[in-house]
Amino acid sequence: GDSVTQMEGPVTLSEEAFLTINCTYTATGYPSLFWYVQYPGEGLQLLLKATKADDKGSNKGFEATYRKETTSFHLEKGSVQVSDSAVYFCALREGYNFNKFYFGSGTKLNVKP
Amino acid sequence: NAGVTQTPKFRVLKTGQSMTLLCAQDMNHEYMYWYRQDPGMGLRLIHYSVGEGTTAKGEVPDGYNVSRLKKQNFLLGLESAAPSQTSVYFCASSYGPSGYEQYFGPGTRLTVT
Repeated sequence: GDSVTQMEGPVTLSEEAFLTINCTYTATGYPSLFWYVQYPGEGLQLLLKATKADDKGSNKGFEATYRKETTSFHLEKGSVQVSDSAVYFCALREGYNFNKFYFGSGTKLNVKP
Repeated sequence: NAGVTQTPKFRVLKTGQSMTLLCAQDMNHEYMYWYRQDPGMGLRLIHYSVGEGTTAKGEVPDGYNVSRLKKQNFLLGLESAAPSQTSVYFCASSYGPSGYEQYFGPGTRLTVT
């Protein structure tokens, strides 16, 4: 079945450092890919998405490119801030059953001033 | 506009007790979902609904039942709670399937002793 694998955390960075959180997926068909962010005590919020190969999703300085050839959707940000500290989830929506979402295990990011 | 709300926020049950978690959304969304979040495992889909009066099984449906009698509400029931159901439960809703983001509630932390 479909699945998502993302790098384990926690990831600890200093403010203004470059961020990469790796995400790879296994899927049949043509899934849509998402990054969600969860701040402490809150539900998940959509950060960005890409619905087809080579699409780049971007929001709040974060970017991720849907790479079908490497089955990857890595999250990047050029300069992180303390306020980016949160848990980040990579997710996949099946291409043939739009109701099925699969989430990665989450990566906790700690940004120090 | 409250978005997605969940009741209760916290609950402690003894093994064998029953309870119902309530999810409500005021965005007129057709699709609603129940997930559980466990450490190191991300979110797993329990049940979902594509409209009023409809429900379907997700990835981990055993031990849970759901109902969608009204479009705005999606109830998750545990008939006989087990310690393995200790988790954080998230409800989500979306307008439609393809490409539409899911909006998440703040979560319910359930402990079964």
